[in-house]
Amino acid sequence: RKEVEQDPGPFNVPEGATVAFNCTYSNSASQSFFWYRQDCRKEPKLLMSVYSSGNEDGRFTAQLNRASQYISLLIRDSKLSDSATYLCVVGGSSASKIIFGSGTRLSIRP
Amino acid sequence: GAGVSQSPRYKVTKRGQDVALRCDPISGHVSLYWYRQALGQGPEFLTYFNYEAQQDKSGLPNDRFSAERPEGSISTLTIQRTEQRDSAMYRCASSKQENTGELFFGEGSRLTVL
Repeated sequence: RKEVEQDPGPFNVPEGATVAFNCTYSNSASQSFFWYRQDCRKEPKLLMSVYSSGNEDGRFTAQLNRASQYISLLIRDSKLSDSATYLCVVGGSSASKIIFGSGTRLSIRP
Repeated sequence: GAGVSQSPRYKVTKRGQDVALRCDPISGHVSLYWYRQALGQGPEFLTYFNYEAQQDKSGLPNDRFSAERPEGSISTLTIQRTEQRDSAMYRCASSKQENTGELFFGEGSRLTVL
């Protein structure tokens, strides 16, 4: 079983739609959670951290469910520029590695 | 420069040759990570350092792969006796503090083994 699992997609949605991705992780001791965005042929970049209480950054909302060991990302009012691969990222406690999921591809159509 | 710098950007080598990939992290960043990324996949963890200490090398595929960061700054990932299956994008990332998930990635080194 992979440590971090994501639906690879692709998700193909119209501009303005709301889209949600989920991610599950296997290590119950994981302590830190993130979403990264990766554009085609570019390096990954941090989109947002995910906190236990859930957090929002503009059109993006991230949530964490520790009991079920999953993380979600919701994008509202999607824009063409949101087209990218979204990577779920999980880290442990101190002195532990940071693991990336395989990514979910999102394509926004006009 | 201000960002993470990796070199070479592209490396083509013949099977059996050794290659060394270099990563120059953002100045002052404590942690440095190496990942390997195949097309259509997420970055696969290889190893990471806090300062000069290699904290975890569990992701290195086999003993042909090694990494060092002798002075706690620049790091080198070395692949000995390269094989075609080693072909991939090798990505380096650094972070300001230990064990924070805010990683800053370089542009990567694309390795092709013929």
